[in-house]
Amino acid sequence: NAGVTQTPKFQVLKTGQSMTLQCAQDMNHNSMYWYRQDPGMGLRLIYYSASEGTTDKGEVPNGYNVSRLNKREFSLRLESAAPSQTSVYFCASSSTSGGPGANVLTFGAGSRLTVL
Amino acid sequence: EDKVVQSPLSLVVHEGDTVTLNCSYEVTNFRSLLWYKQEKKAPTFLFMLTSSGIEKKSGRLSSILDKKELFSILNITATQTGDSAVYLCAVANNNDMRFGAGTRLTVKP
Repeated sequence: NAGVTQTPKFQVLKTGQSMTLQCAQDMNHNSMYWYRQDPGMGLRLIYYSASEGTTDKGEVPNGYNVSRLNKREFSLRLESAAPSQTSVYFCASSSTSGGPGANVLTFGAGSRLTVL
Repeated sequence: EDKVVQSPLSLVVHEGDTVTLNCSYEVTNFRSLLWYKQEKKAPTFLFMLTSSGIEKKSGRLSSILDKKELFSILNITATQTGDSAVYLCAVANNNDMRFGAGTRLTVKP
């Protein structure tokens, strides 16, 4: 059972480039989330999808877009990367439908993104 | 604004020691408090607490919540090197989940 799978694990971008982080879960979970983790700041929610077909902004959505492609997959896109987006990104999922306060999260292994 | 504060930020102990990690919070419409352990990569779930005074226990780890004083503690007894990790506290209401910055625990042999 793979759980939550994120790709790529590492990426280096130049300012202004675009990229998409992919996330897939095989637990038949309803809700999916994207977080970023920066030193000294904890995990901050970027976007979430409370159920298939819906997406909502989290605490720090600026500069990002998301797509809930189907129940399994939730992608995060950086249209024009900036150095401030250098971070470790985590995808997560939850069995319940609902917002980020809903329930226990299962996390992916993280994607380390560096923007030069 | 909702906030979650963990202390200490880092802690170094020797194997066999007992440690207490703290999490205090200010969250409107509190629903639950969760503890996660983060080693190299993905945070993994430890406990979810919703009621005051009821201890959750798993092996050498235990946690308790005080909803009056707005804090939780995570205790680890007889620490082992495998307990070295960042321990994250998160507090949820119906619409949001806020994470603390974490406590980095290092257990030396």
